[in-house]
Amino acid sequence: DVKVTQSSRYLVKRTGEKVFLECVQDMDHENMFWYRQDPGLGLRLIYFSYDVKMKEKGDIPEGYSVSREKKERFSLILESASTNQTSMYLCASRRTSGRSDTQYFGPGTRLTVL
Amino acid sequence: SQQGEEDPQALSIQEGENATMNCSYKTSINNLQWYRQNSGRGLVHLILIRSNEREKHSGRLRVTLDTSKKSSSLLITASRAADTASYFCATDPAMEYGNKLVFGAGTILRVKS
Repeated sequence: DVKVTQSSRYLVKRTGEKVFLECVQDMDHENMFWYRQDPGLGLRLIYFSYDVKMKEKGDIPEGYSVSREKKERFSLILESASTNQTSMYLCASRRTSGRSDTQYFGPGTRLTVL
Repeated sequence: SQQGEEDPQALSIQEGENATMNCSYKTSINNLQWYRQNSGRGLVHLILIRSNEREKHSGRLRVTLDTSKKSSSLLITASRAADTASYFCATDPAMEYGNKLVFGAGTILRVKS
């Protein structure tokens, strides 16, 4: 079974802190994604990566950056956390080969910025 | 950008009843997928239907796809309290770079026992 893990389930940080959210997948998937989820807004794509060291902006990249140094790991970085970044963050991965592949999600990290 | 739009936003039914959720989208797709999310958790894949398929079944789930109307429906038959969750449709857009799905805002289903 595919497994996507996220480093923390709950995280509390202060305004201005640098925050790292880590995501690891164990199925050799090429594509990895970071979303944030807020009530009434569904899932919004922040960044995605289709290969090691490759990254593409999603719909709401402002205030975030990402790093993918190894295929299995995709990190989301909040350079200077702000209260409007309080949210649920979801990581996901997916294969590239074939156009009928599902996306596998991690359990989520609920981040609170005080 | 959200392509999938679910309807209704929220649905409350009694255990044993059927639940129907609808999804509309805007552009051509390779496939459409439905996901489920229990409160405070990640999303779990339920079922995938390809653009050349019209109906698909998996256990108590039935999905239909009408590409001419750009819409899909998810039917959960004989619902159980454990089906209480949020349900999202996701489209795999044709001709879009990046191999990424586009998710709708979801339908919140509550099944009362």
